[in-house]
Amino acid sequence: GAGVSQSPSNKVTEKGKDVELRCDPISGHTALYWYRQSLGQGLEFLIYFQGNSAPDKSGLPSDRFSAERTGGSVSTLTIQRTQQEDSAVYLCASSNRDRPNNEQFFGPGTRLTVL
Amino acid sequence: AQKVTQAQTEISVVEKEDVTLDCVYETRDTTYYLFWYKQPPSGELVFLIRRNSFDEQNEISGRYSWNFQKSTSSFNFTITASQVVDSAVYFCALSEANSGYSTLTFGKGTMLLVSP
Repeated sequence: GAGVSQSPSNKVTEKGKDVELRCDPISGHTALYWYRQSLGQGLEFLIYFQGNSAPDKSGLPSDRFSAERTGGSVSTLTIQRTQQEDSAVYLCASSNRDRPNNEQFFGPGTRLTVL
Repeated sequence: AQKVTQAQTEISVVEKEDVTLDCVYETRDTTYYLFWYKQPPSGELVFLIRRNSFDEQNEISGRYSWNFQKSTSSFNFTITASQVVDSAVYFCALSEANSGYSTLTFGKGTMLLVSP
């Protein structure tokens, strides 16, 4: 079946503007994750959704970052008042929570450039 | 707090050489999982292997092998007879029981360049 998809693949925006990044997880996967990959920083966890539980937002770097997941499927990561340091690749992953060992399947990412 | 260290930022080898990518982890949990992911130039992370903390048996899959040693908190990855297609960034990652395995903590990755 289809893998995790993300849109857009590339986004260029001006400093101060808001952006929305979308993730479509694998059908049937109950867990969804957002990560950020910056040069020299590796992959950083941002936020995690599991079913109808309250999301784990412990990785969000500031209150300019928020995410929601509608209907337990599609997720949107919103960055308000973007800054140049927000430039990175934003990766989404999903997993089948029935598997306790948590194999995550990653999307191709959205490359965000803030000018 | 959990931490994953990949000390090698970049490795260059010639095709057919063997190469080992190092991974050292820190965790207070006794139950955890370790992972390796490959990120080719296309950008999409590809799962390679998962290991739980109770299973220290080494694993071999084709040209790939993994050496898990709890005594040194290491989970090293060896590619035998490397090929150009192995060129990618390789990430080691950790998930812990006390977080419900809800997140992966990644190392910063090792870029492997295999030249013909």
